[in-house]
Amino acid sequence: NAGVIQTPRHKVTGKGQEATLWCEPISGHSAVFWYRQTIVQGLEFLTYFRNQAPIDDSGMPKERFSAQMPNQSHSTLKIQSTQPQDSAVYLCASKTGESTGQLYFGEGSKLTVL
Amino acid sequence: TQTVSQSDAHVTVFEGDSVELRCNYSYGGSIYLSWYIQHHGRGLQFLLKYYSGNPVVQGVNGFEAEFSKSDSSFHLRKASVHWSDSAVYFCAAGHNAGAKLTFGGGTRLTVRP
Repeated sequence: NAGVIQTPRHKVTGKGQEATLWCEPISGHSAVFWYRQTIVQGLEFLTYFRNQAPIDDSGMPKERFSAQMPNQSHSTLKIQSTQPQDSAVYLCASKTGESTGQLYFGEGSKLTVL
Repeated sequence: TQTVSQSDAHVTVFEGDSVELRCNYSYGGSIYLSWYIQHHGRGLQFLLKYYSGNPVVQGVNGFEAEFSKSDSSFHLRKASVHWSDSAVYFCAAGHNAGAKLTFGGGTRLTVRP
């Protein structure tokens, strides 16, 4: 079991460029979550999918951020026209369908916007 | 508004000491509570959870936590810490484990030799 895999681990972009972050959940897990972590704001929920369907995107900034889960083996988080305030560690987590199951987190993708 | 607060941003103890990391929540209805640990540069790892039943729950590496509805708390404890326990600890809460978790601000635990 390789755990949740996130790529890239580090990404540096210039202001205004696009950034795409990838997440491969643990095989067999039905739910995928995205969180953003910064020193100032801490861990912020962004969005989550269950059985590939978007369930709750209440934490996603309405502009420039989008997330997809085209198949059960990966999810993407895309940030268009990146801004310096988007700099953060983006964490992906997955879990089984069990209602009280734990979250398994990836190592995170550190995005730096210059 | 659903909130999770960890009153101590930093806690420093010596190896072999006991430690308690505090967590208070503000949630309506039934609640699912958990603790996670994050070592520097890594993702979060699950420690333990409470959903119902015995309010004292045991986790990995000798950690335990106690749920108190009257105090709206879910404090984490360990009887004898090791240097490898140095990390940031996050308390998390949700209405049910199938939905999103709200995390506290984290407590950085430093264990000195």
